[in-house]
Amino acid sequence: DQQVKQNSPSLSVQEGRISILNCDYTNSMFDYFLWYKKYPAEGPTFLISISSIKDKNEDGRFTVFLNKSAKHLSLHIVPSQPGDSAVYFCAASARDYKLSFGAGTTVTVRA
Amino acid sequence: DVKVTQSSRYLVKRTGEKVFLECVQDMDHENMFWYRQDPGLGLRLIYFSYDVKMKEKGDIPEGYSVSREKKERFSLILESASTNQTSMYLCASSHPLAGADTQYFGPGTRLTVL
Repeated sequence: DQQVKQNSPSLSVQEGRISILNCDYTNSMFDYFLWYKKYPAEGPTFLISISSIKDKNEDGRFTVFLNKSAKHLSLHIVPSQPGDSAVYFCAASARDYKLSFGAGTTVTVRA
Repeated sequence: DVKVTQSSRYLVKRTGEKVFLECVQDMDHENMFWYRQDPGLGLRLIYFSYDVKMKEKGDIPEGYSVSREKKERFSLILESASTNQTSMYLCASSHPLAGADTQYFGPGTRLTVL
């Protein structure tokens, strides 16, 4: 049973606009959340993370929002660029060194 | 810079063969992980190790075993490969103290079992 869910398998957005990726989780023990980006034939690369003591973390064009009461987090990419076209994985940790991953959302940025 | 390498990018094996996937990290990380990635399922943890000669089962260990004889090297073994083990295999590592749960991944091995 997947504890981390990304319900949108794909997202298409125009270059320059905002991309919003969503992630829900069920395990209330999760208190650290990460987003990874993956290009085809490459391993995932760490993008941004957030601890449960925060509700927002920003790094350049990427912002992650956390709503603990709703067990929901989202990743905003502004502005979207063609190089952002990739698969994005949401991951969560209960601080036991293991990560639980969502199924991924494929983002396509249109020129 | 963080570096995780995997022995092969692509591998084709036959049903019943014993398969070894090797992973090496040069970051002196204690923790190492093996995942498989399948469409629509994301990354699923097979095994992990938090120290030399230590191993723990992940969510889908059946049909796999692991070996960690040296800190930098973590091997995944398919004792008798089956077609349902055709997948992308990803190795990762992390340090228990510095950003403990941020894992760094290798490029992956695309395994096809015929």
